[in-house]
Amino acid sequence: ETGVTQTPRHLVMGMTNKKSLKCEQHLGHNAMYWYKQSAKKPLELMFVYNFKEQTENNSVPSRFSPECPNSSHLFLHLHTLQPEDSALYLCASSQDPSVDRLGHYGYTFGSGTRLTVV
Amino acid sequence: GENVEQHPSTLSVQEGDSAVIKCTYSDSASNYFPWYKQELGKRPQLIIDIRSNVGEKKDQRIAVTLNKTAKHFSLHITETQPEDSAVYFCAGVSGGSYIPTFGRGTSLIVHP
Repeated sequence: ETGVTQTPRHLVMGMTNKKSLKCEQHLGHNAMYWYKQSAKKPLELMFVYNFKEQTENNSVPSRFSPECPNSSHLFLHLHTLQPEDSALYLCASSQDPSVDRLGHYGYTFGSGTRLTVV
Repeated sequence: GENVEQHPSTLSVQEGDSAVIKCTYSDSASNYFPWYKQELGKRPQLIIDIRSNVGEKKDQRIAVTLNKTAKHFSLHITETQPEDSAVYFCAGVSGGSYIPTFGRGTSLIVHP
Protein backbone atom coordinates (compact mmCIF):
# COMPACT_ATOMS: atom_id res chain seq x y z
CA GLU A 1 0.00 0.00 0.00
CA THR A 2 1.25 3.44 -0.93
CA GLY A 3 0.21 5.30 2.19
CA VAL A 4 -2.60 7.06 0.33
CA THR A 5 -5.82 5.05 0.24
CA GLN A 6 -8.84 5.88 -1.89
CA THR A 7 -12.30 4.36 -1.70
CA PRO A 8 -14.23 3.19 -3.53
CA ARG A 9 -12.01 1.93 -6.36
CA HIS A 10 -14.92 1.95 -8.80
CA LEU A 11 -18.19 3.88 -8.74
CA VAL A 12 -21.11 3.96 -11.13
CA MET A 13 -23.70 6.61 -10.44
CA GLY A 14 -26.72 8.13 -12.09
CA MET A 15 -26.91 11.83 -12.86
CA THR A 16 -29.36 12.41 -9.99
CA ASN A 17 -27.36 10.53 -7.36
CA LYS A 18 -25.24 11.89 -4.54
CA LYS A 19 -22.06 10.07 -3.69
CA SER A 20 -18.74 10.76 -1.97
CA LEU A 21 -15.16 9.77 -2.69
CA LYS A 22 -12.82 9.27 0.23
CA CYS A 23 -9.08 9.67 0.53
CA GLU A 24 -6.93 8.90 3.56
CA GLN A 25 -3.19 9.37 3.92
CA HIS A 26 -0.95 7.72 6.51
CA LEU A 27 2.24 9.59 5.65
CA GLY A 28 2.00 12.49 8.07
CA HIS A 29 1.62 14.96 5.21
CA ASN A 30 -0.05 18.33 5.65
CA ALA A 31 -1.36 18.95 2.12
CA MET A 32 -3.87 16.96 0.08
CA TYR A 33 -5.14 17.29 -3.48
CA TRP A 34 -7.83 16.10 -5.87
CA TYR A 35 -7.02 15.49 -9.54
CA LYS A 36 -9.23 14.52 -12.45
CA GLN A 37 -7.71 12.29 -15.12
CA SER A 38 -9.72 11.82 -18.30
CA ALA A 39 -8.76 9.74 -21.31
CA LYS A 40 -6.29 11.51 -23.58
CA LYS A 41 -6.16 14.57 -21.29
CA PRO A 42 -3.51 15.77 -18.86
CA LEU A 43 -3.82 15.52 -15.11
CA GLU A 44 -6.19 18.29 -13.99
CA LEU A 45 -5.64 19.71 -10.52
CA MET A 46 -9.06 20.35 -8.98
CA PHE A 47 -8.60 21.29 -5.34
CA VAL A 48 -5.74 21.86 -2.91
CA TYR A 49 -5.93 21.71 0.85
CA ASN A 50 -3.00 22.87 2.94
CA PHE A 51 -3.31 22.39 6.71
CA LYS A 52 -7.04 21.75 6.16
CA GLU A 53 -7.55 25.08 4.42
CA GLN A 54 -8.56 25.13 0.79
CA THR A 55 -5.93 27.09 -1.08
CA GLU A 56 -6.88 26.34 -4.67
CA ASN A 57 -10.05 25.71 -6.59
CA ASN A 58 -9.27 25.54 -10.27
CA SER A 59 -12.64 26.62 -11.69
CA VAL A 60 -14.27 23.35 -10.75
CA PRO A 61 -18.09 23.17 -11.17
CA SER A 62 -20.08 23.39 -7.95
CA ARG A 63 -21.41 19.86 -8.45
CA PHE A 64 -18.01 18.84 -7.00
CA SER A 65 -17.69 19.77 -3.33
CA PRO A 66 -14.51 18.98 -1.38
CA GLU A 67 -14.23 18.51 2.35
CA CYS A 68 -11.10 18.19 4.47
CA PRO A 69 -12.00 17.53 8.11
CA ASN A 70 -8.36 16.99 9.12
CA SER A 71 -4.95 16.71 7.50
CA SER A 72 -5.32 12.95 7.00
CA HIS A 73 -8.72 12.79 5.32
CA LEU A 74 -10.12 14.33 2.17
CA PHE A 75 -13.53 13.84 0.62
CA LEU A 76 -15.05 14.77 -2.71
CA HIS A 77 -18.83 15.03 -2.59
CA LEU A 78 -20.57 14.52 -5.91
CA HIS A 79 -24.10 15.50 -6.91
CA THR A 80 -26.00 15.89 -10.18
CA LEU A 81 -22.97 14.92 -12.23
CA GLN A 82 -22.84 14.80 -16.01
CA PRO A 83 -21.58 11.95 -18.22
CA GLU A 84 -18.52 14.06 -19.11
CA ASP A 85 -17.52 13.88 -15.45
CA SER A 86 -16.70 10.20 -15.93
CA ALA A 87 -12.97 9.89 -15.24
CA LEU A 88 -10.34 8.59 -12.85
CA TYR A 89 -10.24 10.77 -9.73
CA LEU A 90 -6.88 10.74 -8.03
CA CYS A 91 -6.03 11.94 -4.58
CA ALA A 92 -2.49 12.95 -3.65
CA SER A 93 -0.73 14.16 -0.54
CA SER A 94 2.56 15.85 0.28
CA GLN A 95 4.38 17.96 2.77
CA ASP A 96 4.56 21.73 2.23
CA PRO A 97 7.01 22.24 0.62
CA SER A 98 7.07 18.91 -1.24
CA VAL A 99 10.87 18.95 -1.38
CA ASP A 100 12.30 19.41 2.10
CA ARG A 101 15.66 20.80 3.14
CA LEU A 102 17.16 17.33 3.02
CA GLY A 103 15.98 16.93 -0.56
CA HIS A 104 13.31 14.40 0.21
CA TYR A 105 10.32 14.52 -2.13
CA GLY A 106 7.04 13.06 -1.03
CA TYR A 107 4.24 13.85 -3.50
CA THR A 108 2.29 10.58 -3.45
CA PHE A 109 -0.80 9.52 -5.35
CA GLY A 110 -3.56 7.18 -4.31
CA SER A 111 -4.82 4.44 -6.63
CA GLY A 112 -7.81 6.49 -7.71
CA THR A 113 -11.55 6.03 -8.03
CA ARG A 114 -12.81 5.13 -11.49
CA LEU A 115 -16.08 7.06 -11.78
CA THR A 116 -18.70 6.36 -14.42
CA VAL A 117 -21.73 8.63 -14.68
CA VAL A 118 -24.68 7.08 -16.50
CA GLY B 1 3.28 30.25 -13.31
CA GLU B 2 5.17 27.20 -14.48
CA ASN B 3 4.39 25.58 -17.83
CA VAL B 4 5.73 22.12 -18.63
CA GLU B 5 5.62 20.81 -22.19
CA GLN B 6 6.17 17.10 -22.87
CA HIS B 7 6.91 15.27 -26.13
CA PRO B 8 6.08 12.98 -27.76
CA SER B 9 2.53 12.19 -26.70
CA THR B 10 2.94 8.61 -27.95
CA LEU B 11 6.11 6.58 -28.38
CA SER B 12 6.23 3.10 -29.85
CA VAL B 13 9.45 1.05 -29.71
CA GLN B 14 10.58 -2.53 -30.14
CA GLU B 15 11.70 -4.49 -27.11
CA GLY B 16 15.38 -3.87 -26.49
CA ASP B 17 15.40 -0.42 -28.09
CA SER B 18 15.94 2.81 -26.17
CA ALA B 19 13.20 5.35 -25.49
CA VAL B 20 13.61 9.07 -24.86
CA ILE B 21 10.93 11.43 -23.55
CA LYS B 22 11.61 15.17 -23.49
CA CYS B 23 10.18 17.99 -21.39
CA THR B 24 10.69 21.72 -21.30
CA TYR B 25 9.80 24.13 -18.52
CA SER B 26 9.30 27.87 -18.34
CA ASP B 27 9.95 28.89 -14.72
CA SER B 28 13.60 29.57 -13.92
CA ALA B 29 12.76 29.07 -10.25
CA SER B 30 11.95 25.40 -10.82
CA ASN B 31 14.63 23.34 -9.11
CA TYR B 32 13.23 19.83 -8.85
CA PHE B 33 12.00 17.55 -11.63
CA PRO B 34 10.28 14.25 -10.83
CA TRP B 35 9.15 11.62 -13.32
CA TYR B 36 6.11 9.41 -12.76
CA LYS B 37 5.10 6.14 -14.38
CA GLN B 38 1.43 5.22 -14.59
CA GLU B 39 0.60 1.69 -15.68
CA LEU B 40 -2.87 1.00 -17.04
CA GLY B 41 -5.47 1.24 -14.29
CA LYS B 42 -2.91 2.15 -11.64
CA ARG B 43 -1.71 5.24 -9.81
CA PRO B 44 1.17 7.42 -10.98
CA GLN B 45 4.34 6.33 -9.20
CA LEU B 46 7.57 8.27 -8.81
CA ILE B 47 10.35 6.46 -10.67
CA ILE B 48 13.23 8.94 -10.73
CA ASP B 49 13.90 12.60 -10.03
CA ILE B 50 16.61 15.18 -10.54
CA ARG B 51 17.53 18.40 -8.80
CA SER B 52 18.71 21.53 -10.53
CA ASN B 53 22.25 21.21 -9.16
CA VAL B 54 22.71 17.89 -10.96
CA GLY B 55 23.05 17.36 -14.70
CA GLU B 56 22.36 13.64 -14.88
CA LYS B 57 21.08 10.85 -12.68
CA LYS B 58 20.88 7.15 -13.44
CA ASP B 59 19.06 4.23 -11.85
CA GLN B 60 19.63 0.91 -13.63
CA ARG B 61 17.94 1.17 -17.05
CA ILE B 62 16.48 4.64 -16.55
CA ALA B 63 18.30 7.95 -16.52
CA VAL B 64 17.30 11.58 -16.46
CA THR B 65 19.29 14.52 -17.83
CA LEU B 66 18.78 18.21 -17.13
CA ASN B 67 19.90 21.24 -19.09
CA LYS B 68 19.18 24.28 -16.93
CA THR B 69 20.33 26.78 -19.52
CA ALA B 70 17.95 25.44 -22.13
CA LYS B 71 15.29 24.60 -19.52
CA HIS B 72 14.76 21.07 -20.67
CA PHE B 73 15.06 17.64 -19.14
CA SER B 74 14.71 14.16 -20.56
CA LEU B 75 13.96 10.60 -19.47
CA HIS B 76 16.01 7.84 -21.07
CA ILE B 77 15.03 4.18 -20.87
CA THR B 78 17.51 1.64 -22.26
CA GLU B 79 16.89 -1.99 -23.18
CA THR B 80 13.13 -1.47 -23.03
CA GLN B 81 10.89 -4.32 -21.93
CA PRO B 82 7.14 -4.87 -22.38
CA GLU B 83 6.61 -4.03 -18.69
CA ASP B 84 7.95 -0.55 -19.39
CA SER B 85 4.73 0.11 -21.33
CA ALA B 86 2.90 2.86 -19.44
CA VAL B 87 2.17 6.57 -19.44
CA TYR B 88 5.10 8.66 -18.23
CA PHE B 89 4.65 12.14 -16.75
CA CYS B 90 7.35 14.72 -16.19
CA ALA B 91 6.89 17.54 -13.71
CA GLY B 92 8.57 20.67 -12.45
CA VAL B 93 8.53 21.99 -8.88
CA SER B 94 9.49 25.57 -8.08
CA GLY B 95 11.60 26.37 -5.06
CA GLY B 96 9.47 26.77 -1.96
CA SER B 97 6.39 25.34 -3.68
CA TYR B 98 4.64 22.10 -2.89
CA ILE B 99 2.64 21.49 -6.07
CA PRO B 100 4.33 20.01 -9.15
CA THR B 101 3.30 21.17 -12.60
CA PHE B 102 2.83 18.09 -14.76
CA GLY B 103 3.39 17.57 -18.45
CA ARG B 104 0.61 16.05 -20.55
CA GLY B 105 2.12 12.58 -20.44
CA THR B 106 3.73 10.20 -22.95
CA SER B 107 2.19 6.85 -23.72
CA LEU B 108 5.10 4.42 -24.20
CA ILE B 109 4.34 1.17 -25.96
CA VAL B 110 7.03 -1.51 -26.04
CA HIS B 111 6.34 -4.23 -28.59
CA PRO B 112 7.69 -7.70 -27.79
